Amino acid sequence: DAKTTQPPSMDCAEGRAANLPCNHSTISGNEYVYWYRQIHSQGPQYIIHGLKNNETNEMASLIITEDRKSSTLILPHATLRDTAVYYCIVRVAGTSYDKVIFGPGTSLSVIP
Amino acid sequence: DSGVTQTPKHLITATGQRVTLRCSPRSGDLSVYWYQQSLDQGLQFLIHYYNGEERAKGNILERFSAQQFPDLHSELNLSSLELGDSALYFCASSARQGLNSPLHFGNGTRLTVT
Repeated sequence: DAKTTQPPSMDCAEGRAANLPCNHSTISGNEYVYWYRQIHSQGPQYIIHGLKNNETNEMASLIITEDRKSSTLILPHATLRDTAVYYCIVRVAGTSYDKVIFGPGTSLSVIP
Repeated sequence: DSGVTQTPKHLITATGQRVTLRCSPRSGDLSVYWYQQSLDQGLQFLIHYYNGEERAKGNILERFSAQQFPDLHSELNLSSLELGDSALYFCASSARQGLNSPLHFGNGTRLTVT
């Protein structure tokens, strides 16, 4: 089962920042938070990941709370092409295996 | 372009048949993951291979099997196909196993079972 909780849907006005929340209250100390998105039926696209520090790249910023129990993905200036399902994932790994489990995600609609 | 190549893009077959889906990972990536996504359903993890060895299994049916070859490409074999197997099948690769290595997905194979 997915270890994260996300709102099922969100709207955002074009040009505004989209802030997508994710709860991962059972995260372990060595587990990373990853964000992906899936536009229609295309393959999921990697966005960003982090362990405990905030991260930024050309696509987005990732803010992780100090207790690591939640995080927020920020798309600074949302465009219509950012309309997609966004998945927040905690990597679950044992000593020799790695399952990457996707939950239902958040369906983001960017509105003109 | 993620660098992950999946073939074929579309596949239409009949119930009871067997098909093979192919995945070529990004150059240098050792890990391959397979996922199934049925219509309006989420991504279901099927199986993970690392450098030719099976590393993790998800909700993969016994009718399904996979392998990763020495050149690191992977194949997903689906047999005794049923209507419910109609779905998008995605392959993803990562450079290594471990928590600090993003997955990069191909554009999938759309399987239709009639």
